[in-house]
Amino acid sequence: QVRLQESGSGLVKPSQTLAVTCAVSGASITSPGYSWGWIRQPPGKGLEWISYSYLGDTTYFNPSVESRVTVSVDRSKNQFSLTLTSVTAADTAVYYCVREAESTDRAFDVWGQGTMVAVSS
Amino acid sequence: QSALTQPRSVSGSPGQSVTISCTGTSGDIGGYEYVSWYRQYPGRAPKVIIYEVTKRPSGVPDRFSASKSGNTASLTISGLQIEDEADYYCCSYAGSYSWVFGGGTTVTVL
Repeated sequence: QVRLQESGSGLVKPSQTLAVTCAVSGASITSPGYSWGWIRQPPGKGLEWISYSYLGDTTYFNPSVESRVTVSVDRSKNQFSLTLTSVTAADTAVYYCVREAESTDRAFDVWGQGTMVAVSS
Repeated sequence: QSALTQPRSVSGSPGQSVTISCTGTSGDIGGYEYVSWYRQYPGRAPKVIIYEVTKRPSGVPDRFSASKSGNTASLTISGLQIEDEADYYCCSYAGSYSWVFGGGTTVTVL
């Protein structure tokens, strides 16, 4: 059974960098047929797709954050991380890591429980 | 990328049917057969209940059905049950490995 576990900065000051990590168990993040991503949800609001990564190297980003976001992969730990620079209060959200599988093409079939990151001075 | 448009809320009595609409553009819903729907309980992560417009993952009751016509997708919950009370989000692939979500619809069981 695939399990995703996020961990994150918790509280970040405005203009600083947010970092969240997703530890994957039950599947390899470099296996063909699976892709991995990040989705966030501001408090009381809807979902926003952030990133999509395939085979641990190619990554695509939402244009709304593309200039500030980086995704890195640690193959040895089977985990991937999101960093978001120059954060503002608008980046306050629950950050979910997700999996997209060929069996549910273009849908996110596994979600982590989410990690809350608040941007505040 | 603009968010897909969903009604803020819908409601129904137990046993009734409710339908949630999700309107996008030819660049997302209208252009691809990759609409998915997610159910989210308060404080919990979303869970996929529909993928590829009409398909249900294993374990999702057949009370949940979905369709698409042009730039609008719809999710219907038949035989409404108390446990269906939740937030529902539509999502569409928008090309070039990007996705767009709807704003979410709260389903209330009266």
